[in-house]
Amino acid sequence: SQQGEEDPQALSIQEGENATMNCSYKTSINNLQWYRQNSGRGLVHLILIRSNEREKHSGRLRVTLDTSKKSSSLLITASRAADTASYFCATAVKNQAGTALIFGKGTTLSVSS
Amino acid sequence: DVKVTQSSRYLVKRTGEKVFLECVQDMDHENMFWYRQDPGLGLRLIYFSYDVKMKEKGDIPEGYSVSREKKERFSLILESASTNQTSMYLCASSPLYLGSYTDTQYFGPGTRLTVL
Repeated sequence: SQQGEEDPQALSIQEGENATMNCSYKTSINNLQWYRQNSGRGLVHLILIRSNEREKHSGRLRVTLDTSKKSSSLLITASRAADTASYFCATAVKNQAGTALIFGKGTTLSVSS
Repeated sequence: DVKVTQSSRYLVKRTGEKVFLECVQDMDHENMFWYRQDPGLGLRLIYFSYDVKMKEKGDIPEGYSVSREKKERFSLILESASTNQTSMYLCASSPLYLGSYTDTQYFGPGTRLTVL
């Protein structure tokens, strides 16, 4: 089963509204990261939150981490049409080779003007 | 800015061909990664490398090999392409941070490979 799972799978909102995406994971982590992917392109790193941090901000992005619930949320405030993309959480976990980033399947966000 | 480039955006090959996908990064990063991305399956790690001439298998290495002869270049090789290897291939690099492979990753634009 998936280590990191985003919820919802798809989200449609109007420009100016806030968008909230959630990520749940199963095992202990070193850090959790959020990435954005525009259609047909590579992923772009948005923000990294370490396991000893609870909240982090970057511009219109706010990320929270609750290690007791093994969950994280990404809030995009005052959304714009340009925020339309897929958003992935990635958890840093230990594996046989050391550590690895495990990506979820993503939330597809559509922002209409 | 970190730049990760991939040799092709789109590639069409025939079953049985040997396919090389090249990735180059310009930030002197120690770690480099190859993923494939398929609808409904997300990103899956094929191979990664934490140093020149070093490689580690990821979750789905079967049917693939890699080469890292220089620090900035990481190649993915499909020895005999098959139709089930039709996918989007993404290369990434990251610096070594506190001995970890799991800090921020910087991705290339991707190569959409179609095997006929």
